[in-house]
Amino acid sequence: AQSVTQLDSQVPVFEEAPVELRCNYSSSVSVYLFWYVQYPNQGLQLLLKYLSGSTLVKGINGFEAEFNKSQTSFHLRKPSVHISDTAEYFCAVSDLSGNTGKLIFGQGTTLQVKP
Amino acid sequence: DVKVTQSSRYLVKRTGEKVFLECVQDMDHENMFWYRQDPGLGLRLIYFSYDVKMKEKGDIPEGYSVSREKKERFSLILESASTNQTSMYLCASSYSRVDYGYTFGSGTRLTVV
Repeated sequence: AQSVTQLDSQVPVFEEAPVELRCNYSSSVSVYLFWYVQYPNQGLQLLLKYLSGSTLVKGINGFEAEFNKSQTSFHLRKPSVHISDTAEYFCAVSDLSGNTGKLIFGQGTTLQVKP
Repeated sequence: DVKVTQSSRYLVKRTGEKVFLECVQDMDHENMFWYRQDPGLGLRLIYFSYDVKMKEKGDIPEGYSVSREKKERFSLILESASTNQTSMYLCASSYSRVDYGYTFGSGTRLTVV
């Protein structure tokens, strides 16, 4: 079965510093990969997705992620964070078995941006 | 933009009550999902549906059931609420089984006392 591991539960960082949120997945087949963000008291919204093609994917709000097939990773990066980036971030992988359209989510990483 | 609307933002129910959580999407999406979100556990899939009157169990279906009588509406039912079902419940929809781009509702925070 596919699984997703987000290696850090919390990442504190100062404003304007770079950040990387780590995500590894387990799968022996091709996958689609996603990052979602959840701001306080809101649902999740899509940041970016990798379906195929270029391994560097750019998303909203200046975020980008790199798909690394050999390391089965899909780490999220931003060169300079803002206070408004404080949120919980979820990595997700498609479950391609059974053609159900299901996503499997990681445990989440809380990004805390300090002034 | 697609909207997924969850009828209640906060709910407080008593142990043993039957609880209905409603979710409506307005863009003719085939797939609909119910997840629960707990700290440190991320999102766990309870049930999903890819057509009217169709339903499939997710990873944690015990204690829950669902209903999809119309394409736009997907209801989660707690037959007899228990305190361990206190959680944030998130509904999501997607266009089809080959489209993994979910749209989420704002969530319902359920407290069972």
